[in-house]
Amino acid sequence: EDQVTQSPEALRLQEGESSSLNCSYTVSGLRGLFWYRQDPGKGPEFLFTLYSAGEEKEKERLKATLTKKESFLHITAPKPEDSATYLCAGKGAAGNKLTFGGGTRVLVKP
Amino acid sequence: DTAVSQTPKYLVTQMGNDKSIKCEQNLGHDTMYWYKQDSKKFLKIMFSYNNKELIINETVPNRFSPKSPDKAHLNLHINSLELGDSAVYFCASSQDGQAPYFGPGTRLLVL
Repeated sequence: EDQVTQSPEALRLQEGESSSLNCSYTVSGLRGLFWYRQDPGKGPEFLFTLYSAGEEKEKERLKATLTKKESFLHITAPKPEDSATYLCAGKGAAGNKLTFGGGTRVLVKP
Repeated sequence: DTAVSQTPKYLVTQMGNDKSIKCEQNLGHDTMYWYKQDSKKFLKIMFSYNNKELIINETVPNRFSPKSPDKAHLNLHINSLELGDSAVYFCASSQDGQAPYFGPGTRLLVL
């Protein structure tokens, strides 16, 4: 069975304090590793898709990377508006099903 | 606005009742999903439809029945609601295996 584990569960950062979120996966025949941002009371908002080890994608202060076992979401010089829960999900060989991790709640204090 | 929309946003009901949640997407996507997010924030897929055909049906009680009248709509009907059904239900859609786009969620509370 596919599994995705995220760490840490929660992260408190000072504004400007860069950090990384980890997503470890065991997904058979990985066909995509997805990162989403979720604000309280809202649906997940798509950030990135990574398809192969070594791939990197960037958007503003966020950068996602992928290895054969893990993905990292690096937050560079975060601002309070980066506070959210970040979810990663893997899609395996079987259909369009995404297996989600439990998320990392990020709080950036001014 | 192009989006995935769900109604209602909040649903408070008694145990044993039957309720429905409606979902519509105007993104032109061919695949639609229902996901459940529990109190610990884990998102788990329940159903997936591609062009009105059921393609994913996870281990979900048969009290839950999805219906897709057309490619743009996927509704979820729940019979005999139980306390454990309380959760946030998200509809999503995607095209050609791309990342799903999620709706705003329906917060269901069963009393």
